[in-house]
Amino acid sequence: GQQLNQSPQSMFIQEGEDVSMNCTSSSIFNTWLWYKQDPGEGPVLLIALYKAGELTSNGRLTAQFGITRKDSFLNISASIPSDVGIYFCAGTASKLTFGTGTRLQVTL
Amino acid sequence: DVKVTQSSRYLVKRTGEKVFLECVQDMDHENMFWYRQDPGLGLRLIYFSYDVKMKEKGDIPEGYSVSREKKERFSLILESASTNQTSMYLCASSLWVGSGSNQPQHFGDGTRLSIL
Repeated sequence: GQQLNQSPQSMFIQEGEDVSMNCTSSSIFNTWLWYKQDPGEGPVLLIALYKAGELTSNGRLTAQFGITRKDSFLNISASIPSDVGIYFCAGTASKLTFGTGTRLQVTL
Repeated sequence: DVKVTQSSRYLVKRTGEKVFLECVQDMDHENMFWYRQDPGLGLRLIYFSYDVKMKEKGDIPEGYSVSREKKERFSLILESASTNQTSMYLCASSLWVGSGSNQPQHFGDGTRLSIL
């Protein structure tokens, strides 16, 4: 199945820094989703985006649905140690397609 | 909150055994899904179901079957387990709203299955 291009693959940042990651696709999507997965756990939905251009926040997280409908980004402001994990984007057209994940490590 | 519950967090089975993984959701969702997650390969869809007794093959159905006898329960069956089926298995559910594909999927905590 198709996978989205998600970048970066991994990030090492210091506590307090802002984080940005993005997903791109060659296909148009109707919905963009962002999930976080902690080690040994299932993915947890962070933000859902339903319209091109939509900008949505959830606490320190902000995500946008690109106007071309082929990309999305997720920003995390003022990172804290519990932000550690793998972040996945996912897009839906006829089915749900997942990105390859961004592994985030936060150092004190 | 949506709750998707997978019956086991860790499971160890032997090659050739028939293995059942169970998933239950409590939000009356029509859609249910089974994925496996492997390092470097991401999440891959095995099977999904849009309704009771209905099933559709995903991207990697070989060696698996599913059962949906009740709306809230979706079972994944490994007919004859093999070592290459050692993986993290994730169940998910979502609401059906006509187009069927635009509602977010909610995941269980996963079952880490080892086949020896």
